[in-house]
Amino acid sequence: AQSVTQLGSHVSVSEGALVLLRCNYSSSVPPYLFWYVQYPNQGLQLLLKYTSAATLVKGINGFEAEFKKSETSFHLTKPSAHMSDAAEYFCAVSAGGGYQKVTFGIGTKLQVIP
Amino acid sequence: NAGVTQTPKFQVLKTGQSMTLQCAQDMNHNSMYWYRQDPGMGLRLIYYSASEGTTDKGEVPNGYNVSRLNKREFSLRLESAAPSQTSVYFCASSMAGQGYEQYFGPGTRLTVT
Repeated sequence: AQSVTQLGSHVSVSEGALVLLRCNYSSSVPPYLFWYVQYPNQGLQLLLKYTSAATLVKGINGFEAEFKKSETSFHLTKPSAHMSDAAEYFCAVSAGGGYQKVTFGIGTKLQVIP
Repeated sequence: NAGVTQTPKFQVLKTGQSMTLQCAQDMNHNSMYWYRQDPGMGLRLIYYSASEGTTDKGEVPNGYNVSRLNKREFSLRLESAAPSQTSVYFCASSMAGQGYEQYFGPGTRLTVT
């Protein structure tokens, strides 16, 4: 069984401040982990993914995430928020099975305050 | 490449009516998926097709049927729409196997009155 918990359905940061979006996963086998971003009225786009090659993963738009097995976490960070980062962010886990079943978190809406 | 396309973008149905949501991808992906997105619930898998010729139920299949018409196209049918099916529907596709990301279409916003 696999699951994802995103802490905080809404997060607000000031422009230029650190962005930290939290994600914890549960998996009985080594997981693949993803962060997706969804802008208003659009589909989801991949930000970054962890596939066991490296624990610190860099993605698009200056985002990165660190896989911490001991904490079962895959938090998303960006050093300096930009107004264009305002969107909804989804953490997702895929952990085996005959096909790539992906379980999504409920999402975190990021608000950037000017 | 267009990626994943979905039609229609918006639809309003009356309770009991039927409709088919269309999805096509031009990335030569083997696997395709249908999700629904509801506020506070993230994305929930309705049906998936691991490869051409196969379909399987996901987390919330009741009230829906699917057809994998060929490698490119995967349609979702609502036989008798209910207000509980008011949602935003996303189609996605991916390479087969583990660790591959999914590519999403722009979504269909469906309202059932």
